[in-house]
Amino acid sequence: NAGVTQTPKFQVLKTGQSMTLQCAQDMNHNSMYWYRQDPGMGLRLIYYSASEGTTDKGEVPNGYNVSRLNKREFSLRLESAAPSQTSVYFCASRDGPNTEAFFGQGTRLTVV
Amino acid sequence: GIQVEQSPPDLILQEGANSTLRCNFSDSVNNLQWFHQNPWGQLINLFYIPSGTKQNGRLSATTVATERYSLLYISSSQTTDSGVYFCAVHNAGNMLTFGGGTRLMVKP
Repeated sequence: NAGVTQTPKFQVLKTGQSMTLQCAQDMNHNSMYWYRQDPGMGLRLIYYSASEGTTDKGEVPNGYNVSRLNKREFSLRLESAAPSQTSVYFCASRDGPNTEAFFGQGTRLTVV
Repeated sequence: GIQVEQSPPDLILQEGANSTLRCNFSDSVNNLQWFHQNPWGQLINLFYIPSGTKQNGRLSATTVATERYSLLYISSSQTTDSGVYFCAVHNAGNMLTFGGGTRLMVKP
């Protein structure tokens, strides 16, 4: 049982480049989330998808777009990467508002 | 939005010591989780605890939702307990909001 899987694990981008972070879960969960974690800080919510077909902004959505491709997959896109987006990105999923959330292993992104 | 504060921000323990970590939140919550982020960055689920007390080995957690706080107890600490401990609250709008974490170092 893989749980929540993120790809890639590491990525280095040049300023202005674009990329998509992929997340897939095999627990048949309805809700999926993207967070970023900056050094020495907690996790901040970028976007979330309460159910297939819906997406909503979180605390820090600027510079990002998301797609809930199907129930399993939720991708995060950086259209024009900036050094301020250097961070560790975590994807999470849970079945609904009053259920336990599970996290992927993270993607460490560096923008130079 | 809801505010989640954790204390202390940093904690250094000698192996074998006990500790209590605190999580305060500013509004009513539907649920609460505790996580351990290990030195490799992985987030490990510790407890899912809306109220009451749960125990898992040397760790236990208590949430008093009516008073808006939760406590994580670590007994007989080991070096492998080192890392960052986060609480995260589930509130209205299907969101999960994290506190700033408690960074724990256990020395041998």
